[in-house]
Amino acid sequence: DAGVIQSPRHEVTEMGQEVTLRCKPISGHNSLFWYRQTMMRGLELLIYFNNNVPIDDSGMPEDRFSAKMPNASFSTLKIQPSEPRDSAVYFCASSSNRQGSFYNEQFFGPGTRLTVL
Amino acid sequence: GESVGLHLPTLSVQEGDNSIINCAYSNSASDYFIWYKQESGKGPQFIIDIRSNMDKRQGQRVTVLLNKTVKHLSLQIAATQPGDSAVYFCAENIRGGFKTIFGAGTRLFVKA
Repeated sequence: DAGVIQSPRHEVTEMGQEVTLRCKPISGHNSLFWYRQTMMRGLELLIYFNNNVPIDDSGMPEDRFSAKMPNASFSTLKIQPSEPRDSAVYFCASSSNRQGSFYNEQFFGPGTRLTVL
Repeated sequence: GESVGLHLPTLSVQEGDNSIINCAYSNSASDYFIWYKQESGKGPQFIIDIRSNMDKRQGQRVTVLLNKTVKHLSLQIAATQPGDSAVYFCAENIRGGFKTIFGAGTRLFVKA
């Protein structure tokens, strides 16, 4: 299994530009998470999908952020317009949400390091 | 509440020694706890977990201890190796909930 795949691995852009981050979850997993990691705030959950449906987006910082999951094998996180304070590492994670299980281990991708100049 | 990390705590140990990484969690309702390891340039990776009805759980070279009275969690690594160098996160979860809250992390350096 290739694990969670994220692209690009690195993105450098200028303030005001649109940024799209991509994620392919592990095949068969039905839950997908987008996280942001910074030194100041640590690892923050931005949004969570279950069976392609957004369940909770309360962690999305602003309306400039949006996420979609058009099918079970693909998700995007878009920032428009981007700002320097959006610079961070963005992780996608997936899990197999088994009914009645105590916890469903999350498998993280390698992350996308975003730098907004 | 969520942890905020301005300065990552650091633990430096000699190769072969045992390491103990501590964590204080915040939510009394949390009933499931997980330790993740994050190596440089990679995403967090699951190490070991423990339910709130346990106070100790052992894995391969790792042991997690849970003290619910003081809301404290620790990860013990036996015979620490250079490959153990990483940032370690404790995380808390409420059963059936999707939201896992991650701590600020502790950086472990292993000196050869």
